[in-house]
Amino acid sequence: EPEVTQTPSHQVTQMGQEVILRCVPISNHLYFYWYRQILGQKVEFLVSFYNNEISEKSEIFDDQFSVERPDGSNFTLKIRSTKLEDSAMYFCASSPPSGTPDTQYFGPGTRLTVL
Amino acid sequence: GEDVEQSLFLSVREGDSSVINCTYTDSSSTYLYWYKQEPGAGLQLLTYIFSNMDMKQDQRLTVLLNKKDKHLSLRIADTQTGDSAIYFCAETPGGYNKLIFGAGTRLAVHP
Repeated sequence: EPEVTQTPSHQVTQMGQEVILRCVPISNHLYFYWYRQILGQKVEFLVSFYNNEISEKSEIFDDQFSVERPDGSNFTLKIRSTKLEDSAMYFCASSPPSGTPDTQYFGPGTRLTVL
Repeated sequence: GEDVEQSLFLSVREGDSSVINCTYTDSSSTYLYWYKQEPGAGLQLLTYIFSNMDMKQDQRLTVLLNKKDKHLSLRIADTQTGDSAIYFCAETPGGYNKLIFGAGTRLAVHP
């Protein structure tokens, strides 16, 4: 069964450094998302992406964040200058082009630790 | 505003039924979802219900939707130890694509 994959599984970085989290969505999906889950808290929506542009973003998704689909398979989340409070599990998701576009399939997550 | 509320913890005996409850605020949500998260893993889509339905059954899972009260429940029949996980209720407010999650209900199944 096709699945969303994410790399790395765990990323440790120093405060102020840039990180790029990578995702490979399911191949025929057209909608892509990033969510995060701070330890012990709710899963929070960050951004949705469709047709090579951001379709919606939350208040969390400020100028420090950006997303890109650099080729036909990868979907990346970049944090330009990480802060301690960016430490969280980051989940990528994708959903299919028709039928139930809201049905999102999640990757296993990347745990980001900012020191 | 957009909000989804769930009780945080449920403990059941193996073989019993589990009922996990959720309330949501946005009546325009087209679909409502249940996701499962096992320790150290991602979010697995369990089931979803279209907002014009009031019940959906899928093997051991039964979803009930009371749209008037904005109440969603997930019943797991014959609960097994492998069902131990955190269960998240989620909605898509305004029919848009973003998912709004509840805090999750931790289900503990004991022998």
